[in-house]
Amino acid sequence: GAVVSQHPSRVICKSGTSVKIECRSLDFQATTMFWYRQFPKQSLMLMATSNEGSKATYEQGVEKDKFLINHASLTLSTLTVTSAHPEDSSFYICSARDAGATEETQYFGPGTRLLVL
Amino acid sequence: GDSVTQMEGPVTLSEEAFLTINCTYTATGYPSLFWYVQYPGEGLQLLLKATKADDKGSNKGFEATYRKETTSFHLEKGSVQVSDSAVYFCALRSNTNAGKSTFGDGTTLTVKP
Repeated sequence: GAVVSQHPSRVICKSGTSVKIECRSLDFQATTMFWYRQFPKQSLMLMATSNEGSKATYEQGVEKDKFLINHASLTLSTLTVTSAHPEDSSFYICSARDAGATEETQYFGPGTRLLVL
Repeated sequence: GDSVTQMEGPVTLSEEAFLTINCTYTATGYPSLFWYVQYPGEGLQLLLKATKADDKGSNKGFEATYRKETTSFHLEKGSVQVSDSAVYFCALRSNTNAGKSTFGDGTTLTVKP
């Protein structure tokens, strides 16, 4: 089946630094990717919808200047957490929609665990 | 807006017991319904799905039926194994909301030998 990868799988950074997380669709083209955040023992919260070649659409309450999303190609979207703070520590998960599938299908990446010290 | 409500956990069962995790939803239009499973430290994996009323999704012994009249999509398995221990998420994807997915809060299942 289709595979979505995320890199890095785990990152620890100092407060005030920026961290970039990559989401790649490995064997299909994804015109749309979604970024989610998951707190411990909680559900996924949609942060933004990323469309290839255009600006991301952010959900209410998500700071677009803090969580920069770039979807530069049909197989890659990046999320950059700028000036990270300890409260940004979380599990970030992306998903990608297979543009070529006859049935709309969304595949999830394995997640990136961010710890801000 | 769209919402998903699933049974609160945690759920603890003995091996070979019957499992039911309830899930109900509210949505505009005609959503597709999903169950995802998340093992510790990992991302979500699609377990099963149903795209229209009365469809039954099934996989690895799990099954769920899309019930439009009761707006439900309960997950069942006849005989659970220790390896089924994980967090299960019910989700819907609306066909009228830019394809966004809405997730339930997750139900933690622990199966003891």
